[in-house]
Amino acid sequence: DVKVTQSSRYLVKRTGEKVFLECVQDMDHENMFWYRQDPGLGLRLIYFSYDVKMKEKGDIPEGYSVSREKKERFSLILESASTNQTSMYLCASRSVGTDQPQHFGDGTRLSIL
Amino acid sequence: GQNIDQPTEMTATEGAIVQINCTYQTSGFNGLFWYQQHAGEAPTFLSYNVLDGLEEKGRFSSFLSRSKGYSYLLLKELQMKDSASYLCAVRSSGTYKYIFGTGTRLKVLA
Repeated sequence: DVKVTQSSRYLVKRTGEKVFLECVQDMDHENMFWYRQDPGLGLRLIYFSYDVKMKEKGDIPEGYSVSREKKERFSLILESASTNQTSMYLCASRSVGTDQPQHFGDGTRLSIL
Repeated sequence: GQNIDQPTEMTATEGAIVQINCTYQTSGFNGLFWYQQHAGEAPTFLSYNVLDGLEEKGRFSSFLSRSKGYSYLLLKELQMKDSASYLCAVRSSGTYKYIFGTGTRLKVLA
């Protein structure tokens, strides 16, 4: 079974802090994704990476950056956290191939105070 | 613009059949996915459709009509554990991007 592990289930940070969310997958997947999930808005794509060191902006990249130095790890960085970044953050990975689904981690519920 | 519509909430009785609809308008189409998400948990993959027609997997089936921009997820012999949110997602052609609907929260009553 594919395992996507996010470093924290719950995280509380303060406004202005630099926040790191880590995601590791164990199936040698090429593609990795970061989403945020908010009530009534569904999953919105922040960034994705189609291979090591490669990244592309999703629909809501403002205030975020990412890093993918190794194939198994995809990090999301909040450069200067703000209260409107309080949300559930979901990481996903998938293998290449049209019919390959995304596999999600359990999520990190981030609160910015 | 790109848009996926699903009902917000549905209620059904244990043992019954329920159909969750999804309509989409996207720039290109390269497959439609259904996921199940229990409260506080990760979404898990249920089904994939890329050609028109019905795909059956045990108690769950998914249907696609590309000309109508329409899909449904059919759940048979409902069980209490089927109470969850069901997410419809479309992959745009030529990209790695998936557009997600806001999800349908299904409540199964005894």
